Amino acid sequence: QKEVEQNSGPLSVPEGAIASLNCTYSDRGSQSFFWYRQYSGKSPELIMSIYSNGDKEDGRFTAQLNKASQYVSLLIRDSQPSDSATYLCAVIAAGNKLTFGGGTRVLVKP
Amino acid sequence: EADIYQTPRYLVIGTGKKITLECSQTMGHDKMYWYQQDPGMELHLIHYSYGVNSTEKGDLSSESTVSRIRTEHFPLTLESARPSHTSQYLCASRGAGGSLPSYNEQFFGPGTRLTVL
Repeated sequence: QKEVEQNSGPLSVPEGAIASLNCTYSDRGSQSFFWYRQYSGKSPELIMSIYSNGDKEDGRFTAQLNKASQYVSLLIRDSQPSDSATYLCAVIAAGNKLTFGGGTRVLVKP
Repeated sequence: EADIYQTPRYLVIGTGKKITLECSQTMGHDKMYWYQQDPGMELHLIHYSYGVNSTEKGDLSSESTVSRIRTEHFPLTLESARPSHTSQYLCASRGAGGSLPSYNEQFFGPGTRLTVL
């Protein structure tokens, strides 16, 4: 079992719809969770951090954390073609090691 | 905005040449990382450092070497480049943690795209 797992996609979403991305992690002691966006050929860009159970909203992005179920999700509201990218989930587990998932590719179709 | 820089951004070089990829950050981060990523593929950690004079190999075996003589500088060297080294190399840095969890946020440089002919 991988430490951080994501569905590779592609997740195809119509423009204006909500894109929902999921990530599960194996270390129950994990405390810090991050979402990165990576456009093709570019480096990953940090878009959301979440540390407590519940929801955290930032513009059109909402991160949701459920430590009991060991998953973290990212919602993108009013999806735009410019949101088409690969989204990486990253988790800091015990030992302060940051581990990335394989990424979910999102395609927003006009 | 992250202050982490990589040079060169693009490098095309012949087999057998020695190359050094530069990475610098001005955030005072103690942790620095090198990742290798092929197009459409996952990130692979190849080297990391938790401070000056500390370097470790990552999860993916690499023929490259690194050094950390100054906190802000973490260069990666290939003694003899081969076509199999063609890839994108990403440098990243992260704080030491502390009273705010945001100190653990990791930021990436723009990357170096290496092509070995």
